[in-house]
Order: sequence, then C-alpha cells, then structure tokens
Amino acid sequence: DAGVIQSPRHEVTEMGQEVTLRCKPISGHNSLFWYRQTMMRGLELLIYFNNNVPIDDSGMPEDRFSAKMPNASFSTLKIQPSEPRDSAVYFCASSPVPPELAGERKNIQYFGAGTRLSVL
Amino acid sequence: LAKTTQPISMDSYEGQEVNITCSHNNIATNDYITWYQQFPSQGPRFIIQGYKTKVTNEVASLFIPADRKSSTLSLPRVSLSDTAVYYCLVGDQTGFQKLVFGTGTRLLVSP
Repeated sequence: DAGVIQSPRHEVTEMGQEVTLRCKPISGHNSLFWYRQTMMRGLELLIYFNNNVPIDDSGMPEDRFSAKMPNASFSTLKIQPSEPRDSAVYFCASSPVPPELAGERKNIQYFGAGTRLSVL
Repeated sequence: LAKTTQPISMDSYEGQEVNITCSHNNIATNDYITWYQQFPSQGPRFIIQGYKTKVTNEVASLFIPADRKSSTLSLPRVSLSDTAVYYCLVGDQTGFQKLVFGTGTRLLVSP
C-alpha cells in the first residue's frame, strides 16, 4: 500500500495567490482529515470527512480556506487568497472506520508526508 | 474530549529505557489512549494504543494504571533514530474519530 499521498510536497507562493493542496487517502478508508502544523500552534485539525461528507469544519481558520472531497480517493484543501500567516505544514490523514469495531481502534489515523507551504 | 498533559521534552542516551508519562485526569469510560510518533519532516505515525493494564508491540509498551488517569509509554533501549516528538491522545469514542494533538514530548537521544 502506498499510504496517504499528498502533493505537492513543497509549495512557495506569493501573498494573494490561490493555493490548492491535494490528498489521496489509503484505498478503503472512510475518513479523511486535514491538519495544519506550525511551531506556534502545533498540530491543528482543520476539517474531517466521513464517506466524502464534511463532518466537522470548525477548525477551518476562515472563509479563505475550503476543502472538498469529490470522491473516496481524492480531496483538496484550497486557500484563496493566501496570506503569509498561512505558511505551515499541511497534513492529510485517513482512517478506516469499520462500524463493526465500534469503540476499538478508532483513533488510528495514517498521515501523509505533508505539504510545506510558504506564502511570501 | 479529555485533555492530556505530558512533559515538553526529555533527553536520553542510546541504549537506555525511556518512559514518557501522560496525564489524562478527565478520561471517559469509553476512551482509548493512543500514542503517535513524529519524526522531523514527516507526519505523525501511530505506535501503540491501549485501554487498560499493559499493551506491548514491537515498538513500545504502554502501561495504564487501574484508574486510567495517566499512561506511560515505554521505549526499551532507545537509539538515535528514536529522536522524535511523541504525542499522547485520548480519543473521542463517540461518533467520529476526532483527535486533538497536544504539544507532545520532544525526545532527544544522544550517543
């Protein structure tokens, strides 16, 4: 299994530009998560999807951020317009949620390698 | 969600056993305790999970006392490659898998 695949690995852009980060979850996983990591705030959950449906987007910083999951094998996180304070490492993670294992092993998420975003 | 508290950093030498303790006083009955490891420039990686007593796998052991208000991750005979940040999480077992990562413990293993 290739694991969670994120692209690009690095992104450098100028303030005001649109940025799109991409994620391919592990095949068969039902849940997908977007995180942001900075030195100041640590690892923050931005949004998560279950069966392609956004369940909780309370961590999305503001309207400039949006996320979509058009199908089970692809998700995007878009920032428009980007600002220097958006500079961070963005991680995507996926998780299997087998209903028959209710209460067991529900906290295991598989993370991608991340996208390091620099907004100048 | 139960809040967790763990040391900000720890230092060790190669070959030593390292124990990282996490406090989670408000853990709920159905919560599991999960530990992740994060190397520089990588995403977090699941290493171990438990509910009570002791759990052991090829990477680490997890000790959980009867009251479950704390847990200890034990890394036997650490090597330089164990230098990483270790996160203790107490999961919300109701509904979906929303995890809250705290600041973690930065472990530095020296020769």
